[in-house]
Amino acid sequence: EVQLVQSGAEVKKPGESLKISCKGSGYRFSTYWIAWVRQMPGKGLEWMGIIYPGDSDTRYSPSFEGQVSISADKSSSTVYLQWSSLKASDTAMYYCGRAPNYYMDVWGKGTTVTVS
Amino acid sequence: EIVLTQSPGTLSLSPGERATLSCRASQIVSSSFLAWYQQKPGQAPRLLIYDASSRATGIPDRFSGSGSGTDSTLTISRLEPEDFAVYYCQQYGSSPITFGQGTRLEIK
Repeated sequence: EVQLVQSGAEVKKPGESLKISCKGSGYRFSTYWIAWVRQMPGKGLEWMGIIYPGDSDTRYSPSFEGQVSISADKSSSTVYLQWSSLKASDTAMYYCGRAPNYYMDVWGKGTTVTVS
Repeated sequence: EIVLTQSPGTLSLSPGERATLSCRASQIVSSSFLAWYQQKPGQAPRLLIYDASSRATGIPDRFSGSGSGTDSTLTISRLEPEDFAVYYCQQYGSSPITFGQGTRLEIK
């Protein structure tokens, strides 16, 4: 079964750093793009960026460029989303998804990040 | 950036009825690179349709997608109780990739 398992909920203070993860299984991890999507409380979906674990080719949405960092470790089939200095406005649910052609066919259950 | 506008914002229908959801793009979506997702409360989104009209694996055939250019439609032919949710369209033909703001499908 194809699965993406995301790390658990986080509660952080403004200014702290954070790295959340998304681990794939059940398929050739390094050959599919993985995307990150933000959903702020009660709001819609926002595309953050995408990475190809095979060579770590990464593309960011302009709204998130410089605000987050996406990385991958293909040896552990894991993709990461990282912040160096969190803000209250980063409070949201973050989803990873397998993106065969930039649409997302398999989603993780999400990681809730609360910054307060 | 391509802006996707979904209409209506909320659609109130009864089980058994037909639902038609619209997604209009501010520019042509190249190669019909448009997807539809369903999201229920407390759950991750689920892919329904990709490439404008291809059903994702395991999606019932009451869901269908159509359209090209700037106008796309998701049709649910006969609503089941489990279909009441929020629906999002997404274009992936042009960078940056964007989502519509969503249509809430509620039980009348």
